[in-house]
Amino acid sequence: AQSVTQLDSQVPVFEEAPVELRCNYSSSVSVYLFWYVQYPNQGLQLLLKYLSGSTLVESINGFEAEFNKSQTSFHLRKPSVHISDTAEYFCAVILVGYQKVTFGTGTKLQVIP
Amino acid sequence: DAGVIQSPRHEVTEMGQEVTLRCKPISGHNSLFWYRQTMMRGLELLIYFNNNVPIDDSGMPEDRFSAKMPNASFSTLKIQPSEPRDSAVYFCASSPGGGDEQYFGPGTRLTVT
Repeated sequence: AQSVTQLDSQVPVFEEAPVELRCNYSSSVSVYLFWYVQYPNQGLQLLLKYLSGSTLVESINGFEAEFNKSQTSFHLRKPSVHISDTAEYFCAVILVGYQKVTFGTGTKLQVIP
Repeated sequence: DAGVIQSPRHEVTEMGQEVTLRCKPISGHNSLFWYRQTMMRGLELLIYFNNNVPIDDSGMPEDRFSAKMPNASFSTLKIQPSEPRDSAVYFCASSPGGGDEQYFGPGTRLTVT
């Protein structure tokens, strides 16, 4: 069975500073990887995903994540955060060929003015 | 498309009462998921359907919880009888299938007093 670990439950960072949210997964087979974002009082929405191909994937609002198979990681980064990035971020994994998603416990990103 | 629709958005009920949460997935999506989110336990998968058939209900807490999907455009999650510990935000999500991303509804905030 697969599992996802998000080591940091909360990450405070000053506005315009860089941030990295860590995600590690465990699986004996190939996986698809996702990052979702949840703004207050809303459902989760997809931020970016890795299915195959280039190991570096980007979102439309400046986030990027890199799939590292040897380290079984899919860390999320942004070079300069904005107040509007304050939200909770969930890493998720799906085994290739399956539909059940395993979510991490989430990381709350707090951007400080 | 209007996205995943959930109703009601808020539900307050007394312990022992029956509660029914409703979900309309995105048209054409083959998979539907029910999640529960609390501060203590985070995001939990309760059950998911593929082509209206329940595939994995291992996350359903106990027999008080039941879910149905009578057709491709409607699903219900029922709690009978409800208890205060069932208080949470319940999300419905749908997916085109094949390990693709999930689209979440806005959630139903359930409070059981």
